Amino acid sequence: DTAVSQTPKYLVTQMGNDKSIKCEQNLGHDTMYWYKQDSKKFLKIMFSYNNKELIINETVPNRFSPKSPDKAHLNLHINSLELGDSAVYFCASSLGVQENTEAFFGQGTRLTVV
Amino acid sequence: AQSVAQPEDQVNVAEGNPLTVKCTYSVSGNPYLFWYVQYPNRGLQFLLKYITGDNLVKGSYGFEAEFNKSQTSFHLKKPSALVSDSALYFCAVRVSSSNTGKLIFGQGTTLQVKP
Repeated sequence: DTAVSQTPKYLVTQMGNDKSIKCEQNLGHDTMYWYKQDSKKFLKIMFSYNNKELIINETVPNRFSPKSPDKAHLNLHINSLELGDSAVYFCASSLGVQENTEAFFGQGTRLTVV
Repeated sequence: AQSVAQPEDQVNVAEGNPLTVKCTYSVSGNPYLFWYVQYPNRGLQFLLKYITGDNLVKGSYGFEAEFNKSQTSFHLKKPSALVSDSALYFCAVRVSSSNTGKLIFGQGTTLQVKP
C-alpha cells in the first residue's frame, strides 16, 4: 500500500479553470503538508495542517485553498489557474510537527496550465 | 533566517568511487537535518536524518552523512557509488521550536554516476 498517495499524477488544464488535487496518507500521521516544486526543482512549503488545523500558510495566493476533512486527507483546490501555477505539487505527512520527525512524500502531481 | 545551501548543482562520479554531496546550513537554535532523494518523475524519498548524538549518521541504500557543527555542514557520503544512485538529492532543515513541521530545502544537487 502506498503511504502517501495523490491524485491525479498529471493534470493539464487551461488558464482560468478551477482544479483540485487530492492527497491521502495511511500512516496514521497527524500532520500533512503541500509543497510546490518549480521548474528549477526548488521546493517550497505552501501549507501545513496539524490535526486538521491550518498551521502554515506561506504567503500563497488566495486562489489556493487547502481542505482537510480528516487527519488522513489534505486536498488542494486552485481557482482561476494561471500559467505561473504550472509546477509539481507534492503532498507529504509526518507523525507530528516535532523537529525530529521526517516527512513522507507522495509521488507528486504535475500541473500544466496552458 | 533559516537556510540550507547546496553549493554544487551537479556532482559527477564514476561507479565504484566514493561520492560526497555537500550541504551547509544556517539556523538559530538546534539544527535538525535531513537528506532526501528524488528519482526522475518520482516523489522524495527519505534517506537519513541528524537529530542529536553521533555526528556520523547512517541511512538507506548505504548512504551516510557527517554532521559538523563548527563548519555548519551536513555532507552526504557513500563509499562506493552505483549507477542507480543517479538522482536529485536534497538537504533540508527543520526549524527547531517552530512547531510547524516546516522543512526548508536546499536547491538540490544532481548526482550523475557513470559506469
